[in-house]
Amino acid sequence: KAGVTQTPRYLIKTRGQQVTLSCSPISGHRSVSWYQQTPGQGLQFLFEYFSETQRNKGNFPGRFSGRQFSNSRSEMNVSTLELGDSALYLCASSSKPGQVSMNTEAFFGQGTRLTVV
Amino acid sequence: KNEVEQSPQNLTAQEGEFITINCSYSVGISALHWLQQHPGGGIVSLFMLSSGKKKHGRLIATINIQEKHSSLHITASHPRDSAVYICAVKGDNAGNMLTFGGGTRLMVKP
Repeated sequence: KAGVTQTPRYLIKTRGQQVTLSCSPISGHRSVSWYQQTPGQGLQFLFEYFSETQRNKGNFPGRFSGRQFSNSRSEMNVSTLELGDSALYLCASSSKPGQVSMNTEAFFGQGTRLTVV
Repeated sequence: KNEVEQSPQNLTAQEGEFITINCSYSVGISALHWLQQHPGGGIVSLFMLSSGKKKHGRLIATINIQEKHSSLHITASHPRDSAVYICAVKGDNAGNMLTFGGGTRLMVKP
């Protein structure tokens, strides 16, 4: 069973540009979550999608957006890039959406390392 | 104060040593994850716990819900265990949103 696939693995962009990152979850998984990892802030939750709907959103500005397609693949977009957006962006998939009584294991991709210059 | 605190931040051990990494959290949780991140960046989920203890090979994870504390133990450590170990908690009503500890950077020397 293929794991979570993120593309591209590495990306260099200029300030002010926009970027789109892609995540293909494990086959059969319908929940995709995105995380940002920086040396200063560590890992932080960006948003979660399940069945093409955003279920949760972390504390990030509106420049960060995402979407999920009917095949569960997800994309995240960052517009008007800033130097501080340089980070490793990780995607995780799971089979079920998070709910109070359900504990689902999440599987992570290798990440996309974005450098903004 | 962060909701999830890990200790130590950095740990150097000799091959064969028994290693313990600690995680304390301040919120109600439905589950706690231990994650391993290698230098390339990819994250592997080691354990997901909501109570008690789990063991996988040389790795053991325990959680005490009353004390809001979890530990990750590595027995007979090996240089290939060198990585960053991250504790992450899922809140009571947080969807799949995880809150992460700062990580423990482990180096095991031969």
